[in-house]
Amino acid sequence: DIVVTQFPDSPAVSLGERATINCKSSQSVLYSSNNKDYLAWYQQKPGQPPKLLIYWASTRESGVPDRFSGSGSGTDFTLTISSLQAEDVAVYYCQQYYDTPYTFGQGTKLEIK
Amino acid sequence: EVQLVESGGGLVRPGGSLRLSCVGSGFTFSTYWMSWVRQAPGKVPEWVANIKEDGSEIAYVDSVKGRFTISRDNARNSLYLQMNRLTDEDTAVYYCARSYLSRALYDQWGRGTLVTVSS
Repeated sequence: DIVVTQFPDSPAVSLGERATINCKSSQSVLYSSNNKDYLAWYQQKPGQPPKLLIYWASTRESGVPDRFSGSGSGTDFTLTISSLQAEDVAVYYCQQYYDTPYTFGQGTKLEIK
Repeated sequence: EVQLVESGGGLVRPGGSLRLSCVGSGFTFSTYWMSWVRQAPGKVPEWVANIKEDGSEIAYVDSVKGRFTISRDNARNSLYLQMNRLTDEDTAVYYCARSYLSRALYDQWGRGTLVTVSS
């Protein structure tokens, strides 16, 4: 199974500051035939299902604010929120959809400092 | 507007069975892979099973193989999960999720239905 590890666990960031969450997979999720990384980022708020933010490691889902961006390839990935807003307080998960079982990271709870 | 609405959750005793349903609307259900993803209280989401548009391909996480069966009825825009021999480790909110661009990339989720396995 591909293990997906996120860090830090619970960063505290000031409003308006940059927030960065990292994700590392135990094996590459880059599919050589199409040169795409099968890595997504989701945001989850209490009592709600996860919401897709980023896919193919760096493609922003329609309607997601452009302060959210994704980067990385192979095994190392980053979600960046360029200027943290109060509504961004949530748990963030990375997920690999490269191979079964499709696995999520342990989650990163983003809090306001 | 795309909607996924799950039903069928509830309290069940260990060893019991339950059948979950999910009805999709606002999109052409028959053209999407569909999945069940569960999330135990305070835990990480866990992919459970997925099924191809026409039902010809199915996959399960190892922990439910032989106990759970995913199916779909495209005429009814419906996805199902038959769960047998339930254990307390199956306690979770079960989400129905639509996949797009790839079989396990979830762009739309239902609100979930809670399954509690307890004696």
